Amino acid sequence: HELLVESGGGAVQPGGSLRLSCAASQFIFNTYDMHWVRQAPGKGLEWVASIIHDGSRKYYGDSVKGRFAIARDNSWNTLYLQMNSLRDEDTAIYYCARERAVAAGAHLDSWGQGTLVTVSS
Amino acid sequence: DIQMTQSPSSLSASVGDRVTITCRASPPITTDLAWYQQKAGKAPKPLIFGASNLQSGVASRFSGSGSGTEFTLTISTLQPEDFATYYCLQHDSYPRTFGQGTKVELK
Repeated sequence: HELLVESGGGAVQPGGSLRLSCAASQFIFNTYDMHWVRQAPGKGLEWVASIIHDGSRKYYGDSVKGRFAIARDNSWNTLYLQMNSLRDEDTAIYYCARERAVAAGAHLDSWGQGTLVTVSS
Repeated sequence: DIQMTQSPSSLSASVGDRVTITCRASPPITTDLAWYQQKAGKAPKPLIFGASNLQSGVASRFSGSGSGTEFTLTISTLQPEDFATYYCLQHDSYPRTFGQGTKVELK
């Protein structure tokens, strides 16, 4: 059964940086597009960023564009999220998720347990 | 960008009730929309993909329909384990966008 494990969360001051990792196992990582999704305390889900299976294309939500960078290392089966210029409103649980795309449609069929990022002075 | 408007934001229902949640897309999308269930403290779980396809292992009381601008998630007979928050997510284009969520609570 596929497994995604996030790490790297923690407390950071506004303006600081943090790098999240998501270790993937039990599936062929380099054949799947991957996503980061976050959830602020008591709020709904927010899509953050995506990266195509081979890393050739990346997409970002407006709220993080220019500050966050998504990357992957298919040799190490790991997804990353480099977060710079962090703001209070970036405080959230960050989930990595795998996208399964079939003829009928795509969906995020596997999720990590999430890692908490707290931005506060 | 595609905006997803989900309603209602919350609803109260009893075990055995039929529940319907709606997501509206603007501009219209294809059928590339998925529904997710989230329980407190847990990661979301996929229920429906391609607007109407049931994810493997999901109970058949869940169903989805729609295309273009209006999509619905229906729970035919609400069970105790279905009290949770539900989200739609359009997979039609980037940036991806979630609906605001619908919390299903016990009446």
